Amino acid sequence: QVQLVQSGAEVKKPGASVKVSCKASGYTFTSYGISWVRQAPGQGLEWMGWISAYNGNTNYAQKLQGRVTMTTDTSTSTAYMELRSLRSDDTAVYYCARDSSSSTGSLGYWGQGTLVTVSS
Amino acid sequence: EIVLTQSPGTLSLSPGERATLSCRASQSVSSSYLAWYQQKPGQAPRLLIYGASSRATGIPDRFSGSGSGTDFTLTISRLEPEDFAVYYCQQYGSSPPPTFGGGTKVEIK
Repeated sequence: QVQLVQSGAEVKKPGASVKVSCKASGYTFTSYGISWVRQAPGQGLEWMGWISAYNGNTNYAQKLQGRVTMTTDTSTSTAYMELRSLRSDDTAVYYCARDSSSSTGSLGYWGQGTLVTVSS
Repeated sequence: EIVLTQSPGTLSLSPGERATLSCRASQSVSSSYLAWYQQKPGQAPRLLIYGASSRATGIPDRFSGSGSGTDFTLTISRLEPEDFAVYYCQQYGSSPPPTFGGGTKVEIK
């Protein structure tokens, strides 16, 4: 079965960077893209960006351009999301999600989420 | 960026009732690229509907999606206790990039 297992919670100071991992299993990693979505406490979902696990092409949300980098390691079937210059409003649960089998772009499988807390 | 506005913000209904959730887009969305998700507290979202009207694998047929252009609807025909949750719409075209609506909370009346 498809599984996405994310790394554990992080606490960071303002200005620092965080790198969240998402290890995939149960399917051919390079056949589907991975999106990253975040959710601030008590708030809605925010799309952050997408990476093709096939060729590494990326598409980032404009508001995060220059601060976010998404990568993949096909040898370990793992996707990564790095966010730099952290601010307090980056405090959120960060999810990785895989394209559904039926419609690329809709998110059929999700990781369990990683809480990133930015606090001085 | 396509802005998705969901209404109402909160829907108070009883089990067995029909729920109708709206998602309105600031510009036309290809109906091939509109999805609905359900999220319960402490859980990741779950895909319900893709392509505006196709149910994802394992989703009960009491969930249905409809609409086109700028107006889309998620209908839950008869609310079950496990359906009380927050629902989000998402447009997932590549250009403009994907966006989510603000969510509708379906709560027990």
